[in-house]
Amino acid sequence: AQSVTQLGSHVSVSEGALVLLRCNYSSSVPPYLFWYVQYPNQGLQLLLKYTTGATLVKGINGFEAEFKKSETSFHLTKPSAHMSDAAEYFCAVSDRRGFGNEKLTFGTGTRLTIIP
Amino acid sequence: DAMVIQNPRYQVTQFGKPVTLSCSQTLNHNVMYWYQQKSSQAPKLLFHYYDKDFNNEADTPDNFQSRRPNTSFCFLDIRSPGLGDAAMYLCATSRETGDTQYFGPGTRLTVL
Repeated sequence: AQSVTQLGSHVSVSEGALVLLRCNYSSSVPPYLFWYVQYPNQGLQLLLKYTTGATLVKGINGFEAEFKKSETSFHLTKPSAHMSDAAEYFCAVSDRRGFGNEKLTFGTGTRLTIIP
Repeated sequence: DAMVIQNPRYQVTQFGKPVTLSCSQTLNHNVMYWYQQKSSQAPKLLFHYYDKDFNNEADTPDNFQSRRPNTSFCFLDIRSPGLGDAAMYLCATSRETGDTQYFGPGTRLTVL
């Protein structure tokens, strides 16, 4: 079974400071990993994903994440926070095996607050 | 350019009165999902369709049903909404199971 742990349900950073949102996963097969962002009363928007290949993945809005197999982590970072980054962030894992019944398992989410 | 469309965005119903939520997609994806998301929680998968094959999650209440009449459309029927069913309902699609899921904007359901 796969699972995701997001450390810190609430994170606050100052505008212009580094954003670091932590995600650890467990999976019995090489995982697909995702970060989604959700703004109030909106659906989830894909920020970035890792499937195979380069372990440093760049996404939209200046975010990036690094897949570290040895640490089973996929932390999300952004060098300089902007007020518009305030939102809920979800890490998710998929154990795609081609059986036709794979699902996304979501973490519990991290609410990011930006301090002016 | 909208790829996953949900209607309505806000739905108010009365306790016990059946309600249907709608989802359509322009991506021609094989898989369509319905999630329930309560305040400050992660989305919870209710069920998904792979083409016409329906896959129900074990803990999805019988009160929730779904229909997928064609590739583009999928409906969520709540037969007798209770106060505990008030939530955001999210539709998503993916090309194959386990692939990237693309979400609609959601329908916020209020039960009076």
